[in-house]
Amino acid sequence: KAGVTQTPRYLIKTRGQQVTLSCSPISGHRSVSWYQQTPGQGLQFLFEYFSETQRNKGNFPGRFSGRQFSNSRSEMNVSTLELGDSALYLCASSLGPSNTGELFFGEGSRLTVL
Amino acid sequence: SQQGEEDPQALSIQEGENATMNCSYKTSINNLQWYRQNSGRGLVHLILIRSNEREKHSGRLRVTLDTSKKSSSLLITASRAADTASYFCATGASGGSYIPTFGRGTSLIVHP
Repeated sequence: KAGVTQTPRYLIKTRGQQVTLSCSPISGHRSVSWYQQTPGQGLQFLFEYFSETQRNKGNFPGRFSGRQFSNSRSEMNVSTLELGDSALYLCASSLGPSNTGELFFGEGSRLTVL
Repeated sequence: SQQGEEDPQALSIQEGENATMNCSYKTSINNLQWYRQNSGRGLVHLILIRSNEREKHSGRLRVTLDTSKKSSSLLITASRAADTASYFCATGASGGSYIPTFGRGTSLIVHP
């Protein structure tokens, strides 16, 4: 069974640009959660999608958005990039809602904003 | 507020020694999970313990849960250099608005 796939793995952007990250969950998993990981803040929850609906949202500005498609694949978008958005963005999938069991993480997308 | 908080922040031991790290949380939970993260990689699920369980084993891992103290511990016995990683706990609870949150993790270094 294929694991969680995140693309791209690495990317470099400049301030003011926007970026879209993609996450393909494990087949059959209906929940996708996104986390931002930085050395200073640790893992910060961004949002969770379950069956194409945003189930929860973390404390991030509106520049951060996401969506989930009917095949459970998810994308997150960050507009008007700032230097502080440089981070490892992790996606995790689960069979049911994220609070009910094991999360399966992808390898992450490393974003550098110059 | 952070739900899972790991302690200590960093731990350095020699190969063959045991490593113990702790996790504290604030609210009632249904389960608690431990994850490992190798540098710059995704998190890997290690073990899940349910609120009605007090201890669980998986290979060289032993997890305990004390719901009265709202704390859990992860013990890695006979550590190996390959155990060098960051370890995180996350809790699960009922309620549609509840999400698993992670602390900053415990950074474990095992010296060969």
